[in-house]
Amino acid sequence: QVQLQQSGAELAKPGSSVKISCKASGYTFTSYYISWIKQTTGQGLEYIGYINTGSGGTNYNEKFKGKATLTVDKSSSTAFMQLSSLTPDDSAVYYCARGSSSFAYWGQGTLVTVSS
Amino acid sequence: EIVLTQSPTTMAASPGEKVTITCRASSSVSYMHWFQQKSGTSPKPWIYDTSKLASGVPDRFSGSGSGTSYSLTISSMEAEDAATYYCLQRSSYPPTFGAGTKLELK
Repeated sequence: QVQLQQSGAELAKPGSSVKISCKASGYTFTSYYISWIKQTTGQGLEYIGYINTGSGGTNYNEKFKGKATLTVDKSSSTAFMQLSSLTPDDSAVYYCARGSSSFAYWGQGTLVTVSS
Repeated sequence: EIVLTQSPTTMAASPGEKVTITCRASSSVSYMHWFQQKSGTSPKPWIYDTSKLASGVPDRFSGSGSGTSYSLTISSMEAEDAATYYCLQRSSYPPTFGAGTKLELK
């Protein structure tokens, strides 16, 4: 069965960076893009962007350019998202999802808390 | 980007009651998609391409609409339907979600 397993919760200080992982199983990894989505109580669900898991090509929501960097390791069927220059506004649950926009399968979410 | 406005924001329904949630888009979209999310879990695909039920979704759910106005309807509310429902458009990049409708059991 298709599974997307995300890394655990992160507590980070303002100005630092975090890198979240999303390990896929149950399907051919390079056959589907991986997208990343941010969820907060205030802003709801926001689309960050996607990565072409075959080529490594990326497409970002303008709002998250410079904030998020998407990468992939095909050898381990894992997608990564690095968030940089963290501020309290980056505190959220971050999800990976299969596909560039279909989101048929989701990871369980990774809570990122930014606090000094 | 296309803004999706859901209404109501929250609502409560009694068992057996008909429920309708609406989603209005700031520009015309080809299809609307819906997700269900329960507390502490990831969103689940619920309705896709406006009216097609995702696998395992009970047939008391239906979706309809076109252009800028779409809706999700539950013909007869059941306890398990209590959740937050989000609409999603992916006709225009970036994909955008509505703010959600929290449906509670009365």
